[in-house]
Amino acid sequence: SQTIHQWPATLVQPVGSPLSLECTVEGTSNPNLYWYRQAAGRGLQLLFYSVGIGQISSEVPQNLSASRPQDRQFILSSKKLLLSDSGFYLCAWGQGRLNYGYTFGSGTRLTVV
Amino acid sequence: AQSVTQPDIHITVSEGASLELRCNYSYGATPYLFWYVQSPGQGLQLLLKYFSGDTLVQGIKGFEAEFKRSQSSFNLRKPSVHWSDAAEYFCAVGNNNAGNMLTFGGGTRLMVKP
Repeated sequence: SQTIHQWPATLVQPVGSPLSLECTVEGTSNPNLYWYRQAAGRGLQLLFYSVGIGQISSEVPQNLSASRPQDRQFILSSKKLLLSDSGFYLCAWGQGRLNYGYTFGSGTRLTVV
Repeated sequence: AQSVTQPDIHITVSEGASLELRCNYSYGATPYLFWYVQSPGQGLQLLLKYFSGDTLVQGIKGFEAEFKRSQSSFNLRKPSVHWSDAAEYFCAVGNNNAGNMLTFGGGTRLMVKP
């Protein structure tokens, strides 16, 4: 069966420090991959999505970036965190068609201090 | 472009009462429609989905939703709410002609009174 792993679960980072969040999917190949952010009390904001290795689309300009070095690995990064980067980050994967929707990871709570 | 509106940001119901969460979408053809639930500090879990067939769909945890094309709605219902249903609920719409992208509503936070 397919599973999605996201880590770390929680992270406290100082302003100006780098960030690396990792997401991996097992049990499928060539998934579509997504990074979402939830600010406190807000809905889901799509940050990046990828339909293949090295293919990244950005939905919102910001100081975050994403990479897909392997088929089932999706990384969210920042060189210098801002206070406004605090939030709950969710990784998700989907198949080529939407019949099954997206499957979400358990999320990373990032607090920038 | 597709869009989703969840008109109710917060809803409070008593345990054992019925529940209906509203979802309205905007899309020209028959969309793919989903309801997800999110417990605090957790990821989103799929409750149910619709993309063809019977317009009344059954999901997990006793939830159901009805697709009404004439009203562009896909409301989520449960006949009797349990305290464990307290969570945030997201409606989403997508179509395979738009890069397989899902668009999520802003969410409805459900609180259950004992």
